[in-house]
Amino acid sequence: AQTVTQSQPEMSVQEAETVTLSCTYDTSESDYYLFWYKQPPSRQMILVIRQEAYKQQNATENRFSVNFQKAAKSFSLKISDSQLGDAAMYFCAYGTNSGYALNFGKGTSLLVTP
Amino acid sequence: GAGVSQSPSNKVTEKGKDVELRCDPISGHTALYWYRQRLGQGLEFLIYFQGNSAPDKSGLPSDRFSAERTGESVSTLTIQRTQQEDSAVYLCASSPGGWSDTQYFGPGTRLTVL
Repeated sequence: AQTVTQSQPEMSVQEAETVTLSCTYDTSESDYYLFWYKQPPSRQMILVIRQEAYKQQNATENRFSVNFQKAAKSFSLKISDSQLGDAAMYFCAYGTNSGYALNFGKGTSLLVTP
Repeated sequence: GAGVSQSPSNKVTEKGKDVELRCDPISGHTALYWYRQRLGQGLEFLIYFQGNSAPDKSGLPSDRFSAERTGESVSTLTIQRTQQEDSAVYLCASSPGGWSDTQYFGPGTRLTVL
């Protein structure tokens, strides 16, 4: 079975600080894509960042970056200079060419304090 | 352009009733997905449509669940004889069509079965 594990149900960070959310996954496929989605209370799933597994370089999007360790099947998300608007559920997911659906973790709830 | 839209936003129904949930994908997106999100959980894949191909129904939990899509446009997810365990947020996503394309999500429909 293909699985995604997010070991931190809840995380807290102070405004302007840095936080890292963990994710490990398990797939036997060699070609896949990884994603972090953000889900605020509005329920809208918003793409934060994506990583192609064949790329060694870690993806970055402004204050968001990932640490992709392919051999360890680890895909953590770092949020720098945290803002109040970053408070949300964060989901790690991956997709492979053996099935079009994304496989999601259970999420990490991020609280940002002033 | 317009994103993925879903209606209704919220639906409360009585056990045993049928419900229909609607999804309007992003214009031009050939792929459409339905996911279910139970409280405190990640997303579970339900069904996938790609153009005029036969849909992938492998995630549907029972024969009470069905879905249709009109060409590359609107999709309807129908749940017959609803049960309390069907209570969840139902999320729709669309993508341009390739397996590696990013999926863009709608705001979801929160279904409550009394």
